Amino acid sequence: GEDVEQSLFLSVREGDSSVINCTYTDSSSTYLYWYKQEPGAGLQLLTYIFSNMDMKQDQRLTVLLNKKDKHLSLRIADTQTGDSAIYFCAESRGGGNKLTFGTGTQLKVEL
Amino acid sequence: DTAVSQTPKYLVTQMGNDKSIKCEQNLGHDTMYWYKQDSKKFLKIMFSYNNKELIINETVPNRFSPKSPDKAHLNLHINSLELGDSAVYFCASSPEVGGNTEAFFGQGTRLTVV
Repeated sequence: GEDVEQSLFLSVREGDSSVINCTYTDSSSTYLYWYKQEPGAGLQLLTYIFSNMDMKQDQRLTVLLNKKDKHLSLRIADTQTGDSAIYFCAESRGGGNKLTFGTGTQLKVEL
Repeated sequence: DTAVSQTPKYLVTQMGNDKSIKCEQNLGHDTMYWYKQDSKKFLKIMFSYNNKELIINETVPNRFSPKSPDKAHLNLHINSLELGDSAVYFCASSPEVGGNTEAFFGQGTRLTVV
């Protein structure tokens, strides 16, 4: 994404936690999202956080938002081989419902 | 039932041809989109429609023309295809304009121009 950056690759062992990071530049973003894309498939919405929140937890997923630093992270607890995919963060700026996606992080889970 | 469906899933065609990709959503959403994903997996919005009205057109060549016959359908027609048009095209829909853009994506159409 033009203003949304992610590291390209992350490799973890099965059972460990994964942390995928994202930085964005538009402080007016209202909602921030995490999407998962498995090979040859579309994008699946995992979770989202409103910009006035610091944290959101949903089962194995924890989203942390540091609005001051414009930093978003997704923590996956007890990572499984089925979590291997590309993870995209995205921001929604006001008006028009435009989603600006990050560059994507390829998560590889090793046995 | 598939929420957002696109056809075809794969499309291989020669340069200069005209082709269309169809998209339908059965979620009752008001807003539909087309996104393009290039070979590096970079995703970028192309168009957004709300209740059949164009609301976003992101610097896309005129060869690309979206058409929304009703709010459940958003088709993408591409004229005079070029090699650089090869990509995966995703259709998506979301329930409302403004606020939470909780977009639901189709499975994508892999377009290969030869």
